[in-house]
Amino acid sequence: DTGVSQDPRHKITKRGQNVTFRCDPISEHNRLYWYRQTLGQGPEFLTYFQNEAQLEKSRLLSDRFSAERPKGSFSTLEIQRTEQGDSAMYLCASSSYRGRWNTEAFFGQGTRLTVV
Amino acid sequence: GENVEQHPSTLSVQEGDSAVIKCTYSDSASNYFPWYKQELGKRPQLIIDIRSNVGEKKDQRIAVTLNKTAKHFSLHITETQPEDSAVYFCAASRAGTGNQFYFGTGTSLTVIP
Repeated sequence: DTGVSQDPRHKITKRGQNVTFRCDPISEHNRLYWYRQTLGQGPEFLTYFQNEAQLEKSRLLSDRFSAERPKGSFSTLEIQRTEQGDSAMYLCASSSYRGRWNTEAFFGQGTRLTVV
Repeated sequence: GENVEQHPSTLSVQEGDSAVIKCTYSDSASNYFPWYKQELGKRPQLIIDIRSNVGEKKDQRIAVTLNKTAKHFSLHITETQPEDSAVYFCAASRAGTGNQFYFGTGTSLTVIP
């Protein structure tokens, strides 16, 4: 499968624990995005990378969230001291950006986080 | 930042009828507008997209129109089929820094056989 892959698919954690998710984008894509989606809502932007540089981070993202893309390939999203409000589907997407145009973003299947 | 609004939130049509979903955006610098279909429990998948240098694009039963002056774009599905039932999201993106994808809140389409 040459699409975007995310691991794990499901994560149940106790409140206060730290969790880390991984995303492997399509190999030739230089942009990688993290989104959060709750039931009945559209994907909500968290952060994105161009190669290894984190170019933007949502103002909604608390300091408990951190993301890395150390070699410009896979990315990790860590949530520290999880809260019940963090329960959501975390989606990763990748795209190519060349010059003026963005291209379509391909999504992974997501990691469903449940904080109990 | 960009604000994308999407209407209606739910839409029911009889099989064979047409469905139209509308979105508006606020940032005049947005230049790329994809539409995604998301079935229950699955990832969003692109169904059609349009760039700001064209006003309309069609792919079989699906078409998208863009009005840059009014800052709105629409998805048109003709001859709807039950398998078109899903949640549809519009999105907007612009060139340069900050060109993340901003999504609408989604339209749940039900095609009644």
